[in-house]
Amino acid sequence: GAVVSQHPSWVICKSGTSVKIECRSLDFQATTMFWYRQFPKQSLMLMATSNEGSKATYEQGVEKDKFLINHASLTLSTLTVTSAHPEDSSFYICSASRGTSGRAFEQFFGPGTRLTVL
Amino acid sequence: GQNIDQPTEMTATEGAIVQINCTYQTSGFNGLFWYQQHAGEAPTFLSYNVLDGLEEKGRFSSFLSRSKGYSYLLLKELQMKDSASYLCAVKGLTGGGNKLTFGTGTQLKVEL
Repeated sequence: GAVVSQHPSWVICKSGTSVKIECRSLDFQATTMFWYRQFPKQSLMLMATSNEGSKATYEQGVEKDKFLINHASLTLSTLTVTSAHPEDSSFYICSASRGTSGRAFEQFFGPGTRLTVL
Repeated sequence: GQNIDQPTEMTATEGAIVQINCTYQTSGFNGLFWYQQHAGEAPTFLSYNVLDGLEEKGRFSSFLSRSKGYSYLLLKELQMKDSASYLCAVKGLTGGGNKLTFGTGTQLKVEL
C-alpha cells in the first residue's frame, strides 16, 4: 500500500511562534495533497487542497496567510502555522492521492501531527 | 460534514454483526469512501463505492444506493479491536469534484 509520513508527530510551542509540518508520500508520486484539521470528537475538516507547483486552494474560512502551504514536489507538501495561538491547537492530518478519478483518487492519510499551543 | 449524516454512537457485542448507515445529498456525487479511525490516529481506508451494490472485503462490506443517497458499512464477526470511529466520506459534494466531505463519524464500541 501507499505510505504517507508526517513530521513531527507532535509539537508543543509557545503562542506567537510558527510551526512547520511536513507531509511526504514515501513510495508514490502524489498528484494532490490535502490538509485536514480535526478537533476532539469531531470529524476531519478540509483546510486546503495542494497541487505540486501551484498555489493551494483554501476552504472557506481558512486564512491562507496564517496557514501557509507549499507543495514543492510530487512527494512533499508542508503546512506552516504562522503566529500560532491556543485556538490553533488541533490534530493536523495530511493525505495524498495519485490522481483525481476513480480509485486513483483514494486518499492515503499520514499519521497526523498533534499541535499544542501554550 | 453538514451534508452527510451518520449515527453518533453505536454499541455491539463481540462476534455479532453491526451495520453503520450513512446518508448524503445526492447532487454532485462522485464516489463514497469508508474509513476507520482509532483515537489519536489517522484514518485508514476500508472501502470505496461508486456504483450501486455491495462491495465485500473480508469481514467488512459496504453498500451503496446512489438514487437514495444511502450507504452502509457492515462489519461481521466483530472483534474488540473494531472499536473505533467509522467515517463516511463522499467525493464531489461541495465545490469541485476533487474533494472529500467527511461525516462526523460513528463511534463504535464493541463489548464482550
